[in-house]
Amino acid sequence: DAGITQSPRHKVTETGTPVTLRCHQTENHRYMYWYRQDPGHGLRLIHYSYGVKDTDKGEVSDGYSVSRSKTEDFLLTLESATSSQTSVYFCAISEPISVNTQYFGPGTRLTVL
Amino acid sequence: TQLLEQSPQFLSIQEGENLTVYCNSSSVFSSLQWYRQEPGEGPVLLVTVVTGGEVKKLKRLTFQFGDARKDSSLHITAAQPGDTGLYLCAVKRMEYGNKLVFGAGTILRVKS
Repeated sequence: DAGITQSPRHKVTETGTPVTLRCHQTENHRYMYWYRQDPGHGLRLIHYSYGVKDTDKGEVSDGYSVSRSKTEDFLLTLESATSSQTSVYFCAISEPISVNTQYFGPGTRLTVL
Repeated sequence: TQLLEQSPQFLSIQEGENLTVYCNSSSVFSSLQWYRQEPGEGPVLLVTVVTGGEVKKLKRLTFQFGDARKDSSLHITAAQPGDTGLYLCAVKRMEYGNKLVFGAGTILRVKS
């Protein structure tokens, strides 16, 4: 299994509070991704990173920001959480030569009350 | 309207039965992937198909890419409880920076 961890694994927060989710990899893969998974929608890309300090928006980026100051860490921040951001969040990694082959972390279940 | 339509949405069968799930679109793709996601875990890549008409086998799982490269099917022979999970198809789309786009998935439950 690819060495990908996500923290926290579960979080309950209130509307309007900031939340940061962390993805940590030990594989030294260059590309990292954040997805959210909701019933009926599958996985939707939020943001992705091509390398340190090199990030871009995905399909559903509104309300989210990311940062990548080290190869191994990719942070996802909800500046002011809303109930619509209740979801399961997955981090994934891949190598440039095989972008399609993504390895996923175990996920973070976030509930915004 | 989703780019990838997966059917059925839910499937509950007895151990030993055969089943087929589908991933359909009106668009043509250069390749298509199937992932399996077990409860509480992230998706795991099962296979990538790239050629129209291609058939790939992974033990009891048979994957087929449509001749026109617009659709794909996954057939499981003699399903086992360990096959339980969410099956997702995914394709790479240029309008999303060549990133993967996923279907909503088929939830499979195999009862013993």
